Amino acid sequence: IAGITQAPTSQILAAGRRMTLRCTQDMRHNAMYWYRQDLGLGLRLIHYSNTAGTTGKGEVPDGYSVSRANTDDFPLTLASAVPSQTSVYFCASSDDSSTDTQYFGPGTRLTVL
Amino acid sequence: GQNIDQPTEMTATEGAIVQINCTYQTSGFNGLFWYQQHAGEAPTFLSYNVLDGLEEKGRFSSFLSRSKGYSYLLLKELQMKDSASYLCAVRPLEGSWGKLQFGAGTQVVVTP
Repeated sequence: IAGITQAPTSQILAAGRRMTLRCTQDMRHNAMYWYRQDLGLGLRLIHYSNTAGTTGKGEVPDGYSVSRANTDDFPLTLASAVPSQTSVYFCASSDDSSTDTQYFGPGTRLTVL
Repeated sequence: GQNIDQPTEMTATEGAIVQINCTYQTSGFNGLFWYQQHAGEAPTFLSYNVLDGLEEKGRFSSFLSRSKGYSYLLLKELQMKDSASYLCAVRPLEGSWGKLQFGAGTQVVVTP
């Protein structure tokens, strides 16, 4: 693989169910991020990780958790999904350069009913 | 708090020029990014400005004025494939490395 992959591509989920969105990168970037994108609101940061073993909260962390056991993987878990978590979720990683540019995965479209 | 404003939609003709403005009010400033996002796809990096002035990359140019809290993305010689949403993002503070604040995006529609 090259770049960032996310799985699943899309998912329909019943409210109250647990769901983990997967994100894997092969660029050896230290920093990784999870965003949600909603119409009219733009991308909002959920959680981030500056390096393996560390995580932090972004702008909208409630209802979500993350872990960073290694450099490549950064899963996002919804412990008990609610309809307001219906969104498109993007994972990103940044390249540790002077600009710290972020590169995005293809996204997961999640619908919670 | 942070506030990043950009127009919701712009329409232009193939071959023309379009300028997408972005104004920001943040508690600090440490760089501004422009991303392109086609419908149903991931955002892709276009440009980065941290100092005042114009950065040119082929048909795309980005300008920054830190004193005015203002940037624009200039798309020249528009092509149909340029129809997309363009996202302005600001890194507000030193020490908040990576924590970008995004505008809602400007949908550019290119017509024949």
